[in-house]
Amino acid sequence: EDQVTQSPEALRLQEGESSSLNCSYTVSGLRGLFWYRQDPGKGPEFLFTLYSAGEEKEKERLKATLTKKESFLHITAPKPEDSATYLCAGLTGAGSYQLTFGKGTKLSVIP
Amino acid sequence: SAVISQKPSRDICQRGTSLTIQCQVDSQVTMMFWYRQQPGQSLTLIATANQGSEATYESGFVIDKFPISRPNLTFSTLTVSNMSPEDSSIYLCSGQQETQYFGPGTRLLVL
Repeated sequence: EDQVTQSPEALRLQEGESSSLNCSYTVSGLRGLFWYRQDPGKGPEFLFTLYSAGEEKEKERLKATLTKKESFLHITAPKPEDSATYLCAGLTGAGSYQLTFGKGTKLSVIP
Repeated sequence: SAVISQKPSRDICQRGTSLTIQCQVDSQVTMMFWYRQQPGQSLTLIATANQGSEATYESGFVIDKFPISRPNLTFSTLTVSNMSPEDSSIYLCSGQQETQYFGPGTRLLVL
C-alpha cells in the first residue's frame, strides 16, 4: 500500500531559526512528489513538484529536495507568515493524477 | 494556474438530509477530483469526476452515498447523501492542469 509519512507532526520555530520538514514515502512507481501549503480555513496551495532523486527547487525561504526514499522542505530564516500546515503528496500510477497525501506538518513561527 | 471556487463554503445540516457542493474552475482542466479532509487527517480521495461519464470511486466510497456529476470541463458537483454526523468534514475539489490545484473547501457539520 502506498504511504506518505510526514514528520514532525508539529514544529515551533523562533523567527529566523532555520529547520527542515521530512516526508518519507513508500510508494511504488513514484512519478512525482508534491509539496503544498495549507492555511487554516483554506485549501492547499501548490508549492513544488519534484520528479527525480537529487532534484531541488526553491521559492523564497523554502527549498525542497528529493532522494530515493524521502523529501525535505528546508525553511531558511522563517518569518511568522510562514506559519501554516505543509503537506506532501506522492503521485503514482501510470496515466493517473491521483495524489496520496501525508498528514502534514503544522509549522508555527514565533516572532 | 487554475482558480477554483466552491459553494457553499460551509453548512450545518440535519442528519438524513443531503447537501450538494459545487466546484467551478476558471479554466479547462483535464481531471477533477473530490477529497475529504477530517481534522488531523490526510486528504483522502473520494473519487475522480469524469466528464460525461460516471465518476471513479476509491475504496470505501460509493456512488449512492456520494453521487458526482461533471457536465463539462470546468464544473463538478458532489452530493453527500443521507448524512450522518460521521460525514462532518471538509470537502475539497481539485483540478488538474500542469499540477493539481485545490478549491478552498466546504466545511460541513452534520447534527
